[in-house]
Amino acid sequence: DTEVTQTPKHLVMGMTNKKSLKCEQHMGHRAMYWYKQKAKKPPELMFVYSYEKLSINESVPSRFSPECPNSSLLNLHLHALQPEDSALYLCASSQSQGNSYEQYFGPGTRLTVT
Amino acid sequence: GIQVEQSPPDLILQEGANSTLRCNFSDSVNNLQWFHQNPWGQLINLFYIPSGTKQNGRLSATTVATERYSLLYISSSQTTDSGVYFCAVDYKLSFGAGTTVTVRA
Repeated sequence: DTEVTQTPKHLVMGMTNKKSLKCEQHMGHRAMYWYKQKAKKPPELMFVYSYEKLSINESVPSRFSPECPNSSLLNLHLHALQPEDSALYLCASSQSQGNSYEQYFGPGTRLTVT
Repeated sequence: GIQVEQSPPDLILQEGANSTLRCNFSDSVNNLQWFHQNPWGQLINLFYIPSGTKQNGRLSATTVATERYSLLYISSSQTTDSGVYFCAVDYKLSFGAGTTVTVRA
């Protein structure tokens, strides 16, 4: 089963709100990723977790705070976002971090910041 | 980082036609994936193909790593093939800009 799930599917939040995006996989993968995709653009990497530790932060603003509570779960905590943060947020996982491992994506959370 | 260029940017096909999408990359890679993004945003894995040739139904892909390009072939296209096709390289998945395919009935 190559399934990555994400909740919620859609989220509308104000600039003063705090919200969280959730991602879950049950494939036994040990690397998990957050990507951000703006309209009509390709996805861009935000964070990589490997064995539940943050291994890559692509200079993402601190209003985005990732968390990996266990090997199956990945959260993205959002606080004081700006309207330009509206995008599709995609979670992915792979067996491990590295070039030999295929990444599998969830369906995404479509975020609108008002 | 590695630069990834896809061509053509847009492709309009009549149902039943064949097509070839190209992905060029600027440096040697050990990871290359092709994805299809459907209208709802889901990225569907098509191929993991750092080198060689693979086929899956009406789709096939070839990567010539020494010449830094990969090709995705779509045969007998169907309307459900419409969407954006992305090539991505490296374990951090640097994506190309994509090819938007529209298949008309």
